[in-house]
Amino acid sequence: GAVVSQHPSRVICKSGTSVKIECRSLDFQATTMFWYRQFPKQSLMLMATSNEGSKATYEQGVEKDKFLINHASLTLSTLTVTSAHPEDSSFYICSARDTRRGETQYFGPGTRLLVL
Amino acid sequence: GENVEQHPSTLSVQEGDSAVIKCTYSDSASNYFPWYKQELGKGPQLIIDIRSNVGEKKDQRIAVTLNKTAKHFSLHITETQPEDSAVYFCAAGQGAQKLVFGQGTRLTINP
Repeated sequence: GAVVSQHPSRVICKSGTSVKIECRSLDFQATTMFWYRQFPKQSLMLMATSNEGSKATYEQGVEKDKFLINHASLTLSTLTVTSAHPEDSSFYICSARDTRRGETQYFGPGTRLLVL
Repeated sequence: GENVEQHPSTLSVQEGDSAVIKCTYSDSASNYFPWYKQELGKGPQLIIDIRSNVGEKKDQRIAVTLNKTAKHFSLHITETQPEDSAVYFCAAGQGAQKLVFGQGTRLTINP
């Protein structure tokens, strides 16, 4: 149980284009989803927290107009990187939690984004 | 806000030996402490967690201890195997709030 998927697993795009990453909880309802960014050999940096049906809460320094998050259902959240640039290249990981059942966050497999 | 420090950053042990990774946290209100294992190119996987009402928890070869007074918690892996090689992250959180992660420990098990 508690499986989280992400799609795509890898994406290469040109500078200036937008990229959408999907995060799905497959066997539980995710009342809260989190989006992280991880640079090579570094820790996970929380970008934003999203609760189903409400606006995401962004961490300090994360541009909400650049990283659009939608959590439209209890099993799906999307992260759209708008007008991507090479410095946005990173490993993006989502996690999901059913707050009604506890604090445990279950992570997806991650999405490797490369912006050329 | 919460700050989590993790040590060591790298750890190399012989297969069969034990490995210990330590974390300290700053916010005494934190009450949930998970440990994640991350293999190369993959997302973190929860391996064990502990809540502040418990001092120790064990799951086969993995154990976690918590000292609330000193605000530190540790991961213990016994009888290490090559497949234990990975990056391990500790984290601290309070209830349903966000988690704050440590810097990670790259564990290498030498055959």
